Amino acid sequence: KNEVEQSPQNLTAQEGEFITINCSYSVGISALHWLQQHPGGGIVSLFMLSSGKKKHGRLIATINIQEKHSSLHITASHPRDSAVYICAVGNTGNQFYFGTGTSLTVIP
Amino acid sequence: DTEVTQTPKHLVMGMTNKKSLKCEQHMGHRAMYWYKQKAKKPPELMFVYSYEKLSINESVPSRFSPECPNSSLLNLHLHALQPEDSALYLCASSQEGQPTTSSGANVLTFGAGSRLTVL
Repeated sequence: KNEVEQSPQNLTAQEGEFITINCSYSVGISALHWLQQHPGGGIVSLFMLSSGKKKHGRLIATINIQEKHSSLHITASHPRDSAVYICAVGNTGNQFYFGTGTSLTVIP
Repeated sequence: DTEVTQTPKHLVMGMTNKKSLKCEQHMGHRAMYWYKQKAKKPPELMFVYSYEKLSINESVPSRFSPECPNSSLLNLHLHALQPEDSALYLCASSQEGQPTTSSGANVLTFGAGSRLTVL
């Protein structure tokens, strides 16, 4: 059983569409991370959040601690958003659990 | 400086070679990690160093040997690897005991990775 589940696994969207990626977790956490990885590239941290909502440009991340659920939204999607988006949760120690990732392709 | 720097970016080695991957951070993070990532899979934890001491070893074969010479550096020594060890090796760091948020959350910062090919 995975501590972190993401959906969908794969997502194809037309440029300009609104995109939502979901993450559910089953462990106690202090924070949830949304990470982005372009093909063949390293991992970039997009957000770290422990409550509420954060916005950065066209990206919005929300978390509901009671429901153990988070969403990553991309508004006005663009082909350069094509990447794998990974949800990871961490506690106050050194344990981080990763979801299997959502592969997003945005078509021009 | 808010980066984790990994070198080399790419490494090709034979099964009898000895090589090392290096990772450096100057954010004052006291926990450092090695992850292995195969294509289309999430990162798999290999080792965690906390205050320069090995705190987690996820049953990694002895042909991978980590070393933490000081609080800013983390090495991964490679010897007698197998072709199935070819992967992206990611270094990460986080604060330890010094939370950056009121909830005690731990920032996790990744390097760009070292892509290893074993022939």
